[in-house]
Amino acid sequence: GENVEQHPSTLSVQEGDSAVIKCTYSDSASNYFPWYKQELGKRPQLIIDIRSNVGEKKDQRIAVTLNKTAKHFSLHITETQPEDSAVYFCAASIGTNAGKSTFGDGTTLTVKP
Amino acid sequence: GAVVSQHPSWVICKSGTSVKIECRSLDFQATTMFWYRQFPKQSLMLMATSNEGSKATYEQGVEKDKFLINHASLTLSTLTVTSAHPEDSSFYICSARTDRDTGELFFGEGSRLTVL
Repeated sequence: GENVEQHPSTLSVQEGDSAVIKCTYSDSASNYFPWYKQELGKRPQLIIDIRSNVGEKKDQRIAVTLNKTAKHFSLHITETQPEDSAVYFCAASIGTNAGKSTFGDGTTLTVKP
Repeated sequence: GAVVSQHPSWVICKSGTSVKIECRSLDFQATTMFWYRQFPKQSLMLMATSNEGSKATYEQGVEKDKFLINHASLTLSTLTVTSAHPEDSSFYICSARTDRDTGELFFGEGSRLTVL
């Protein structure tokens, strides 16, 4: 089955700096890669996703890049703010249908004011 | 966006009792829902895929007789932890996709189970 590895497990940055979280996946058939943000005590929520026919996607301060050949994808957050502090999960799945997603272990991001 | 509601948000029970957790899709129909277990500072571990009108599909290592899943309608899936023990204490969370199926998973609020 699919195996997703996520690094780093914890990340601390100063407000205004950039943060990068990286994930690798094992199944070359995976073609949908979402990122979820989970604030303390709250439910995970989708912040950005990318499909395998796209190499990069950006939404304001958040961007995701995908390297299909190397089977890795990354989340980039620029101009970080304290409210960006949360746990971020990457995931990989085959298709966008009812198939299950495999999640990375999560990265705890702390943005220091 | 779509809303998934989970109930109860927290529950404390005695060892040996059973606990039922409900997961409802409030504004959409969900033929498939997913149940996860999350330990502190750890990832979402998929326990099972709940299929409306049929048996759930359990992940390897998850005891189906221990974690009973019922998906009797297009808006409700339930997870029953039977004969709960302290090691079952955890955060349980469900998710679902809408029929638009963009790929996005909508999560419930989660249920924190503490078994004494």
